[in-house]
Amino acid sequence: QITLKESGPTLLKPTQTLTLTCTFSGFSLSTTGVGVGWFRQPPGEAPEWLAVVDWNDEKAYRPSPKTRLTITKDTSKNQVVLIMANVDPVDTATYYCAHRHWNIFDYWGQGTLVTVSS
Amino acid sequence: DIVMTQSPDSLALSLGERATINCKSSQSLLYSSNNDNYLAWYQQKPGHPPKLLIYWASNRDSGVPDRFSGSGSGTDFTLTITSLQAEDVAVYYCQQYYSPPYAFGQGTKLEIK
Repeated sequence: QITLKESGPTLLKPTQTLTLTCTFSGFSLSTTGVGVGWFRQPPGEAPEWLAVVDWNDEKAYRPSPKTRLTITKDTSKNQVVLIMANVDPVDTATYYCAHRHWNIFDYWGQGTLVTVSS
Repeated sequence: DIVMTQSPDSLALSLGERATINCKSSQSLLYSSNNDNYLAWYQQKPGHPPKLLIYWASNRDSGVPDRFSGSGSGTDFTLTITSLQAEDVAVYYCQQYYSPPYAFGQGTKLEIK
């Protein structure tokens, strides 16, 4: 049974750095074809893909805010971390991580709401 | 970047009716080497994450009722829900996974009339 859970701060001030951790179970990030992606969804809007890391450590980022994003994996801990630098109120959203199997994001965490406000 | 556009933005139908949601991509999602369309459909209910319904444009995910079906190829895709049930009230999104950034459509809100 595949499960994912996001954790991190719920409230940040502008210019701070957001660090989100996705802790998963039921699969290994060393298995060929497997990856973990991050998404966000501002209130009332569609989801937006941010980044993905695959079993072979290949990474891809959304062009904007690419320069502010870093994704890393720790296969031994079953965790994937997303770092977003220099946050702004427009980064307020629910952040999700999701399991990817050969391009398809099939299992999602419940999400964590992050608010950026001074 | 590939842009995904859904229509309509909202839909209100009676129980038992057929719902049709369209999705258009700004470039083809058909990968010629394997003849697969890199298109998924998700259902999202308030307070919940997106739930995968359909992948490769027409494959139902495990446990998804057979009243949900996907069709289309290239740039034009359709999600059909036959015989609408009360539990189908949700927002539906199409998403391309052909190339990053993996874009979603703006969503279609499905309600019961």
